[in-house]
Amino acid sequence: GAVVSQHPSWVICKSGTSVKIECRSLDFQATTMFWYRQFPKQSLMLMATSNEGSKATYEQGVEKDKFLINHASLTLSTLTVTSAHPEDSSFYICSAEGGTTSGRELFFGEGSRLTVL
Amino acid sequence: ELKVEQNPLFLSMQEGKNYTIYCNYSTTSDRLYWYRQDPGKSLESLFVLLSNGAVKQEGRLMASLDTKARLSTLHITAAVHDLSATYFCAVGSNYQLIWGAGTKLIIKP
Repeated sequence: GAVVSQHPSWVICKSGTSVKIECRSLDFQATTMFWYRQFPKQSLMLMATSNEGSKATYEQGVEKDKFLINHASLTLSTLTVTSAHPEDSSFYICSAEGGTTSGRELFFGEGSRLTVL
Repeated sequence: ELKVEQNPLFLSMQEGKNYTIYCNYSTTSDRLYWYRQDPGKSLESLFVLLSNGAVKQEGRLMASLDTKARLSTLHITAAVHDLSATYFCAVGSNYQLIWGAGTKLIIKP
């Protein structure tokens, strides 16, 4: 089946620094990718929809200047957490729509755990 | 505004027993998803339900959808320890999903 890969899987950084997370569709092209955030023992929260070649669509309450999304190619979307602070520590998950023999479905990356000290 | 409610939030049960997790949603939607998440891991797709009366089964898990009642169920038959995980339902269109809070399922040997 289709595979979505995230990198890094775990990152620890100092407060005030920026961190980039990559989301790649390995064997299919994805014009649309989605970024989610998950706090411990909580559900997923959709942060933004990443559209190839255009600006991302952010959900209400998500700071677009804080969470920069770039979808430069059909196989890569990046999320940059700028000037990270401890409250940004979370599990970030991307997903992409891909086709299978059963039809189209949503595939998820392995997730990236961000810890800001 | 679309809201998704799962019930129960936590469930501990013995192996071999049956149980059902419920997912209610507030407005009509194109499709309903069930996912599994193991601790520290990402999500694994279990089922996609598209139409009223849809029923899908995979092993000991069976999912159904009643669009009139805006209710989906995930039924676990003769639970085994390997099914211990957190199960999420999600509802939405064009993959812009609203998620339930999740049901943490612990199955004791």
